[in-house]
Amino acid sequence: EIVMTQSPATLSVSPGERATLSCRASQTISSKLAWYQQKPGQAPRLLIYGASTRATGIPVRFSGSGSGTEFTLTISSLQSEDFAVYYCQQYNNWYTFGQGTKLEIK
Amino acid sequence: QLQLQESGPGLVKPSETLSLTCTVSGGSISNSTYYWAWIRQPPGKGLEWIGSVYYSGTTYYNPSPRSRVTISIDTSKNQFSLKLTSVTAADTAVYYCARRNIVVFGFDMWGQGTMVSVSS
Repeated sequence: EIVMTQSPATLSVSPGERATLSCRASQTISSKLAWYQQKPGQAPRLLIYGASTRATGIPVRFSGSGSGTEFTLTISSLQSEDFAVYYCQQYNNWYTFGQGTKLEIK
Repeated sequence: QLQLQESGPGLVKPSETLSLTCTVSGGSISNSTYYWAWIRQPPGKGLEWIGSVYYSGTTYYNPSPRSRVTISIDTSKNQFSLKLTSVTAADTAVYYCARRNIVVFGFDMWGQGTMVSVSS
């Protein structure tokens, strides 16, 4: 099983600032990585696939990068609606998710 | 607008079988672009893929809890289902049905989720 490790567990950032979330795979997964956003009481929403391609309707302030084992999700200028939990997920070998990063208001 | 809706009991007794159905509306479950999946999330924890099914009936399962899981599809009803046998408290979770897009490669549509508790 490919283990996905996200850091930090919690990230405190002020609105308008940049947020950088990290995800590491236990073995190489090429660019077979997706990012999701989950708000309380809601299902996850697909943000990014292929490590860097935004899903339909996702604002340009969300960007993804990386390949191999190290990946990053960047939110360039945080809006109030961006405070949520973010998960990375690999699809190189079945599907496994990271444990999540909670993005909270500073 | 495609929608997915989970249905089934919210409470299951230990050692019994958990059965859930996902009804797809606003689109055909037989569309070859998509796989259909079950994903769960224990309270306060992360996400776990349980398994997926294609419209042809081909299934793929997470190795754990592989031996206890059966996923099936009924294209005539536009539904797919999950059965999880011999449940324990560890199976308590929100269960989501979701669509996996073979072009996008992510789970791009989700149901709202249904909470299932395992308790006597």
